[in-house]
Amino acid sequence: NAGVTQTPKFQVLKTGQSMTLQCAQDMNHNSMYWYRQDPGMGLRLIYYSASEGTTDKGEVPNGYNVSRLNKREFSLRLESAAPSQTSVYFCASSEVGPPREQYFGPGTRLTVT
Amino acid sequence: KNQVEQSPQSLIILEGKNCTLQCNYTVSPFSNLRWYKQDTGRGPVSLTIMTFSENTKSNGRYTATLDADTKQSSLHITASQLSDSASYICVVKVGDSSYKLIFGSGTRLLVRP
Repeated sequence: NAGVTQTPKFQVLKTGQSMTLQCAQDMNHNSMYWYRQDPGMGLRLIYYSASEGTTDKGEVPNGYNVSRLNKREFSLRLESAAPSQTSVYFCASSEVGPPREQYFGPGTRLTVT
Repeated sequence: KNQVEQSPQSLIILEGKNCTLQCNYTVSPFSNLRWYKQDTGRGPVSLTIMTFSENTKSNGRYTATLDADTKQSSLHITASQLSDSASYICVVKVGDSSYKLIFGSGTRLLVRP
């Protein structure tokens, strides 16, 4: 039982390059989330998926796209990376019912030069 | 505006000592308040979740309190250990039916031998 896994752990991109961050969970959770964490700030929600087949924008969705591939997997894509997207990205999952405890992955540290 | 503020930003204590971290929030409607521990380079891990009606909740050496009237919470760590060195994040969930979490920027705790 690995919980929430993310790949890659580290990535360096040049401005304008694209990449996809992968996330998978083995807890049979319906809901999944993508956050970014920047120094001195709280985590901010980029996108979430309440259940398989649905996705919704969070607080900071610009420059990102997501795909809920199946119940286990939720990917985040940067189509044209910008230095402002340098951050640590966390994926999380939760059940639908209260209290919707969220379980986080280990994070992907992304640097855009 | 929904906000969660934590104090202090950072704290250094000696191993074996106690400490208390503070969290003030202005979030409406309130659903629950969570404390997470985040080790360096890892994802946040839940310590406690408290609903409106709960004043105190313990998890081993961690005790969280909640005063819904003053919109304040605290996390008390007893007999600190070196492994307690981490960031502690206060998080408030907005409403029972939403997926929205408001994250504080965290308190960075360093426990020295």
